[in-house]
Amino acid sequence: DIQMTQSPSTLSASVGDRVTITCRASQSISTWLAWYQQKPGKAPKLLIYEASSLEDGVPSRFSGGGSGTEFTLTISTLQPDDFATYYCQQYNNYQYTFGQGTKLEIK
Amino acid sequence: EVQLVESGGGLVKPGGSLRLSCAASGFVFFNYNMNWVRQAPGKGLEWVSFISGSGRYIYYADSVKGRFTISRDNAKNSLFLQMNSLRAEDSAVYYCVKIRSVVAGTDAFDIWGQGTLVTVSS
Repeated sequence: DIQMTQSPSTLSASVGDRVTITCRASQSISTWLAWYQQKPGKAPKLLIYEASSLEDGVPSRFSGGGSGTEFTLTISTLQPDDFATYYCQQYNNYQYTFGQGTKLEIK
Repeated sequence: EVQLVESGGGLVKPGGSLRLSCAASGFVFFNYNMNWVRQAPGKGLEWVSFISGSGRYIYYADSVKGRFTISRDNAKNSLFLQMNSLRAEDSAVYYCVKIRSVVAGTDAFDIWGQGTLVTVSS
């Protein structure tokens, strides 16, 4: 199975900051990567697919990049609503795997 | 409105069985591949199983293979997960999840249900 490793596991930041989360795949997955946001007690929400395509309705301050084995999720200007846990997911094959999550906390 | 609503969760003893259901609405159900994803309390997301729109192609995570069975009834816009030989480590919120695009193959997961909690404990 393809392993997905996110860093950092926890990120402390302030409203207005620019933050970047990294996700690494154990083998090349081209651009078959998605990013999700999850808030406590809620289902995950799709933010980015195909590594860099913004899902409809997602604010443009979210952006994704990368290909192969290294990917990033960037939030350009943090808003109060952005404090949540973020997961990357590979869908290169039918054995889908998620990263362990990055908790974005208020500093 | 596109919606997925899970049901069937609850408390079950180790070794027991449970059948989860997911009612889909707001989209042409048989056109979309579907999945189950679970999340143990305080833990991350774990993909469980995939079924193609026709039901012809099915895949499982190694952790549930041989114990869980995914199925669908396209006439009733419903997805199911039959869970047998349940273990404590199967305790989790189980989400019914829709694939983003109509085309065959893998894709990101764009619509998630609210989840149903399964607790395996004596």
